[in-house]
Amino acid sequence: DVKVTQSSRYLVKRTGEKVFLECVQDMDHENMFWYRQDPGLGLRLIYFSYDVKMKEKGDIPEGYSVSREKKERFSLILESASTNQTSMYLCASSLDGFEAFFGQGTRLTVV
Amino acid sequence: GQQVMQIPQYQHVQEGEDFTTYCNSSTTLSNIQWYKQRPGGHPVFLIQLVKSGEVKKQKRLTFQFGEAKKNSSLHITATQTTDVGTYFCAGPVWGTYKYIFGTGTRLKVLA
Repeated sequence: DVKVTQSSRYLVKRTGEKVFLECVQDMDHENMFWYRQDPGLGLRLIYFSYDVKMKEKGDIPEGYSVSREKKERFSLILESASTNQTSMYLCASSLDGFEAFFGQGTRLTVV
Repeated sequence: GQQVMQIPQYQHVQEGEDFTTYCNSSTTLSNIQWYKQRPGGHPVFLIQLVKSGEVKKQKRLTFQFGEAKKNSSLHITATQTTDVGTYFCAGPVWGTYKYIFGTGTRLKVLA
């Protein structure tokens, strides 16, 4: 059974903290993605990676960075958390052009 | 930036009524995929359409991909309470690994 696992289901952090969200997939997929989901806005792409150590900005990369040192792991970093980064974060992986498999999501609250 | 808009944003229907959601992309997509997200869950893949003008059926669900590969629709015949959720269209931007999602249509079915 295919699996995408996000490190935390719920997270509460303070403004200004550095936050790490981890995502691991066991399907040997080349592509991995980080989205944030907010009501009425759908899933907005933050960053994506199509190979180890390769990364590209999505539509809303400001305030975020990513790391992909190994094929199975894609990390999202909030350099200095702010309240407007309170959101649901979803990680996904896929083979080129095929369906995306999602993790269960991390609900991040920044106070 | 590239955007994928879906209308309507919300739809309430009586059980047994039909439902349609429309998806319009500002950019050409390599293919279109549809996902369903149940309340509290993550998006789950429903179907993929690749060719322009393609129509596919899955029991009560009918999916279409537009000729220009920029728009799509999902039609549900005779809705059931199990159809409740948010429906997203998504796809890779033509010629890239960038995978974008629509804004979603939230469907409520009243018994």
